[in-house]
Amino acid sequence: RKEVEQDPGPFNVPEGATVAFNCTYSNSASQSFFWYRQDCRKEPKLLMSVYSSGNEDGRFTAQLNRASQYISLLIRDSKLSDSATYLCVVRTEKEYGNKLVFGAGTILRVKS
Amino acid sequence: NAGVMQNPRHLVRRRGQEARLRCSPMKGHSHVYWYRQLPEEGLKFMVYLQKENIIDESGMPKERFSAEFPKEGPSILRIQQVVRGDSAAYFCASSTGGKNIQYFGAGTRLSVL
Repeated sequence: RKEVEQDPGPFNVPEGATVAFNCTYSNSASQSFFWYRQDCRKEPKLLMSVYSSGNEDGRFTAQLNRASQYISLLIRDSKLSDSATYLCVVRTEKEYGNKLVFGAGTILRVKS
Repeated sequence: NAGVMQNPRHLVRRRGQEARLRCSPMKGHSHVYWYRQLPEEGLKFMVYLQKENIIDESGMPKERFSAEFPKEGPSILRIQQVVRGDSAAYFCASSTGGKNIQYFGAGTRLSVL
């Protein structure tokens, strides 16, 4: 079983739609959670950190359920520029630092 | 403030040759991480270094791969005797501390013929 699992998609949605991505992780010792965005053949860029209380950044809302080991990302009012691969990322902190564990990504395509 | 710089962006090698990938961290960052992304897969951690020290190499293949981060100069990921399966995008990230946000470079795409 992969340590971080995501639905690969693709999710094809029209502009203005609301779309939600889910992710599960297997290591209960994981302590930090993130969503990164990766555009085609480019480097991953941090979209937002995810907290147990849930957090929102503009059109993006992230939720964490530690009991179910489940992370979600909600995108409202989708824009064409939101088309990308969304990577669910988990970090299990060790005394000597952090190693990020990436899901394989969920592809989003927003169409006009 | 320049970001994480990787070079070359694209590298073509024939089987059996050596590949050297370089990474200069962001200014003020002394922690460097290397990740590999195979086609259609997520990024996989390879190694974590802090100036002159390897902190965690649990993701490095046992043979042919090595990494260093000297006191002066960029971090180097070295792959000896490359094989076709080494073809991938290799990303470097840096941070100010072991538990801080990692920022990624644009990657080096290695193609082995």
